[in-house]
Amino acid sequence: GNSVTQMEGPVTLSEEAFLTINCTYTATGYPSLFWYVQYPGEGLQLLLKATKADDKGSNKGFEATYRKETTSFHLEKGSVQVSDSAVYFCALSDQTGANNLFFGTGTRLTVIP
Amino acid sequence: DAGVTQSPTHLIKTRGQHVTLRCSPISGHKSVSWYQQVLGQGPQFIFQYYEKEERGRGNFPDRFSARQFPNYSSELNVNALLLGDSALYLCASSLIGTPSSGNTIYFGEGSWLTVV
Repeated sequence: GNSVTQMEGPVTLSEEAFLTINCTYTATGYPSLFWYVQYPGEGLQLLLKATKADDKGSNKGFEATYRKETTSFHLEKGSVQVSDSAVYFCALSDQTGANNLFFGTGTRLTVIP
Repeated sequence: DAGVTQSPTHLIKTRGQHVTLRCSPISGHKSVSWYQQVLGQGPQFIFQYYEKEERGRGNFPDRFSARQFPNYSSELNVNALLLGDSALYLCASSLIGTPSSGNTIYFGEGSWLTVV
């Protein structure tokens, strides 16, 4: 079956620190991988995606590389800002059947000045 | 352009009651999906509709039902509400109904349901 395992939080970092949030997955076939972000009181926003092995998704300074050999899609950012404080969700779409996403449990990031 | 819009944003219901949640997809999007997000967890897939037909269903009881209208808007209905149904219900839309590399899923801000 399909599942996503995310690094448990919460994560607290100082401004300008380096961020890594780990994500590994189990899927049938060749899934597409996503990172969504949820700011306080808001819905989910797509942060970045990768649709095949070795693809790198990037947006707003965040990056994640689709690693088929380690079934991973870790999120990184070189220098976090207070405005990055949010909950981050790793997700996959298994490219078969319904167009639905399987999500991890989310990692709450708090960035302090 | 407007994104995915949902209503109501917040509501409180009593156990045993029924609730209807509404969603309007992004203009031009023909697929609508519903997700349930319990506090502290990731969203879980409930239904997907495309061109007014159910395309997928997650592991939810028959108390949950949905439909899609000719204008591609959608309703999620939950009967006989339980305390455990308290959650954020998210609607998502996409251009087409099948997974593909270009078919990004966009989410609304959700409807917060509290069952007391």
